[in-house]
Amino acid sequence: AQSVTQLDSQVPVFEEAPVELRCNYSSSVSVYLFWYVQYPNQGLQLLLKYLSGSTLVKGINGFEAEFNKSQTSFHLRKPSVHISDTAEYFCAVSPRGSARQLTFGSGTQLTVLP
Amino acid sequence: EAQVTQNPRYLITVTGKKLTVTCSQNMNHEYMSWYRQDPGLGLRQIYYSMNVEVTDKGDVPEGYKVSRKEKRNFPLILESPSPNQTSLYFCASSNPGQGDYGYTFGSGTRLTVV
Repeated sequence: AQSVTQLDSQVPVFEEAPVELRCNYSSSVSVYLFWYVQYPNQGLQLLLKYLSGSTLVKGINGFEAEFNKSQTSFHLRKPSVHISDTAEYFCAVSPRGSARQLTFGSGTQLTVLP
Repeated sequence: EAQVTQNPRYLITVTGKKLTVTCSQNMNHEYMSWYRQDPGLGLRQIYYSMNVEVTDKGDVPEGYKVSRKEKRNFPLILESPSPNQTSLYFCASSNPGQGDYGYTFGSGTRLTVV
């Protein structure tokens, strides 16, 4: 079984400032890692994913995340945020080689202030 | 356009009245899954299906049924809805056989049981 902890439920940040959304996971097996974004009144959209290879993963809208196996973390970063980045962000994990069960964290609400 | 379509988007019903939320995907994906989203809890898996006629329970299956008679459709059935099933529901699909471990989500169904 696996679990995901998103350490911050709310992150306010000013426009054009950098942001980091933190995600830690726990699993007894190797995992795949994902970040999803949910804009108001919409479904979830895949932002980026780590399956294997380089631990620095680049996604859409200028976001990137780094897989750190020793710290079991997968933090999401953006060097300069825009108002349009205001949304809820979810970290998720699944067992390596399986899409059977995708386990989500409780989410982080990113609010970008003008 | 590749997508997962859920219907209805909004539904208000009374306790005990059977209902079905439909889900259809046009990507020929093998895996389909249902999640419910509740504030502070993130998304929790209700049921998943690895292929036609193959379904299994997720983390919160009580009070729900599913069926997978065709590859594209994966309806969620609430035989006797109760107020604690008031939630936002998402259907999702993926195709791990093609190396696609990230889920594509529908737009959601907001269910209120009174």
